[in-house]
Amino acid sequence: EAQVTQNPRYLITVTGKKLTVTCSQNMNHEYMSWYRQDPGLGLRQIYYSMNVEVTDKGDVPEGYKVSRKEKRNFPLILESPSPNQTSLYFCASSFGASGNTGELFFGEGSRLTVL
Amino acid sequence: GENVEQHPSTLSVQEGDSAVIKCTYSDSASNYFPWYKQELGKGPQLIIDIRSNVGEKKDQRIAVTLNKTAKHFSLHITETQPEDSAVYFCDGAGSYQLTFGKGTKLSVIP
Repeated sequence: EAQVTQNPRYLITVTGKKLTVTCSQNMNHEYMSWYRQDPGLGLRQIYYSMNVEVTDKGDVPEGYKVSRKEKRNFPLILESPSPNQTSLYFCASSFGASGNTGELFFGEGSRLTVL
Repeated sequence: GENVEQHPSTLSVQEGDSAVIKCTYSDSASNYFPWYKQELGKGPQLIIDIRSNVGEKKDQRIAVTLNKTAKHFSLHITETQPEDSAVYFCDGAGSYQLTFGKGTKLSVIP
């Protein structure tokens, strides 16, 4: 089954404790991206990657890191989480051709709480 | 990023009525305009998209219209059903750095 898998789905952590949210897709997609969703603010892009070893900042990259060492994986790293990073996070992927993403396939989301 | 405005933020309609959601964007180079539906507890899912060389696209009860001159595109849902209740998002950036609208919560009242 074609899918985007995120882990963990739920996480409660404390300020300053490094964490990684994993994202994996099995559709051989070139493009992968991360978003955070907050009430009243909609979906905001954190980082995106157009291919292996190519990553770029989205609208809200501060406090986050990403890596794209393999085509299928795109982990989101919070080196020193703070309470303002409490949010619902989504990973998405697509074929990404012709100058735009085309249809994005989203994961089920990861709800992160930073105390 | 790109400036994208989506209206209304909430919309309640009676079952069977039509719903229209509008998205306005600022980058005249945008050439891809998708609409996503997010059901409670799930990730967004594409429901319809349109490219800049087309003015309208229809898929059963759902349609999208594009006005490139005015820089806006709209989602039209006809004969609404309770299962249409969800949050709908547009993306007006049309590139790899995306900018979604803030979302429209549609409630269809049986």
